[in-house]
Amino acid sequence: EAGVAQSPRYKIIEKRQSVAFWCNPISGHATLYWYQQILGQGPKLLIQFQNNGVVDDSQLPKDRFSAERLKGVDSTLKIQPAKLEDSAVYLCASSWRGRNQETQYFGPGTRLLVL
Amino acid sequence: KNQVEQSPQSLIILEGKNCTLQCNYTVSPFSNLRWYKQDTGRGPVSLTIMTFSENTKSNGRYTATLDADTKQSSLHITASQLSDSASYICVLRSNDYKLSFGAGTTVTVRA
Repeated sequence: EAGVAQSPRYKIIEKRQSVAFWCNPISGHATLYWYQQILGQGPKLLIQFQNNGVVDDSQLPKDRFSAERLKGVDSTLKIQPAKLEDSAVYLCASSWRGRNQETQYFGPGTRLLVL
Repeated sequence: KNQVEQSPQSLIILEGKNCTLQCNYTVSPFSNLRWYKQDTGRGPVSLTIMTFSENTKSNGRYTATLDADTKQSSLHITASQLSDSASYICVLRSNDYKLSFGAGTTVTVRA
């Protein structure tokens, strides 16, 4: 079974520029998550999708971050404009239906450096 | 204040030795507690999951314990191998399905 795919793996941009990350979840997984992991910290949930609907985006900085999952499969996360403090690894994860005991499967992450 | 605190922040052990990682939490009530292993440059991978009523769960050389009275969990690694070098993250799922992540413990196993 193919895992969660993310691209790009690395991205370096200057502050105030825009950047977009792409995620392809495990086939058939209805629930998709985007996390931000700052160096030395655990992941922080940014947004959770159930199919193409948003379940939780309470920690998403909506003034600069946006995400979509238009067809309920792939998802993109965008930052516009980027700030220095956005430097982090952005992890995408998916699970079957998002239920309580289900395992989340994580992608390798996109490492973002904002200069 | 983070609801999940892990200690130590990092540790170094010799190959073949055992070690124990700690996770203290304030999330209550909670549905389950997981330990994840995150290799450098990779996403986290689930090692164990325990519901609030379970005391211990093993996965090969990894054994997790849970004491709901003291709100503590531990992850014990037996006979460590070089491939155990990674960050280990404790994660609790509250009853409203919210996840709380610890900052992780970085383990380095040396030959």
